[in-house]
Amino acid sequence: DIQMTQSPSSLSASVGDRVTITCRASQGISRYLAWFQQKPGKAPKSLIYAASSLHSGVPSKFSGSGSGTDFTLTISSLQPEDFATYYCQQYSSYPLTFGGGTKVEIK
Amino acid sequence: QVQLQESGPGLVKPSETLSLTCTVSGGSFNTYYWSWIRQPPGKGLEWIGYIHYNGNTNNNPSLNSRVTISADTSTKQSSLKLTSVTAADTAVYYCARGQRGGYTSGWYVHFFDYWGQGILVTVSS
Repeated sequence: DIQMTQSPSSLSASVGDRVTITCRASQGISRYLAWFQQKPGKAPKSLIYAASSLHSGVPSKFSGSGSGTDFTLTISSLQPEDFATYYCQQYSSYPLTFGGGTKVEIK
Repeated sequence: QVQLQESGPGLVKPSETLSLTCTVSGGSFNTYYWSWIRQPPGKGLEWIGYIHYNGNTNNNPSLNSRVTISADTSTKQSSLKLTSVTAADTAVYYCARGQRGGYTSGWYVHFFDYWGQGILVTVSS
């Protein structure tokens, strides 16, 4: 199985901050990488696929980059509605696997 | 607007079978992959398996022998059965739609776009 490791596991940030979350795969996955946002008590919301493509309706403040084993999710200017847990997920091979999550909290 | 809705019992006894259904509305069932994912309380996400509209399935080996995923294209439903449940199977269970995202190492791969709201299933006597 491909292991997905996210860092940090949590972070504190202020409204307006630029935030970057890192995801590392245990082996190369090309660009078969997705990002999700999950708020407490809610289902995950799909943000990004193919490492950098935004799903329809996702604001452009979210961006993704990377290929191979190292990927990043960036939120350009953090807003109150962005405080949530973010997960990466590889879909290069089965079983599909998720990172452990990064909780973005208010400073 | 595509919507997915999970349904089924919220409480299952240990050693029994967990059975859930995902009903799709507002979009086609065909051409897509239909996955089940679960999340134990306070923990991360675990992919259980998928069924393609053509009937092909692929399950997580960690659960493989206990999982059956089926689909009924006429009713636009996917179903999950998990046998011999224990307290460790207590989780929120989600269904999600997958779009084909490429071909690699002999497999078509897919990424999730729409998710259901999830259903909490507790395993307890």
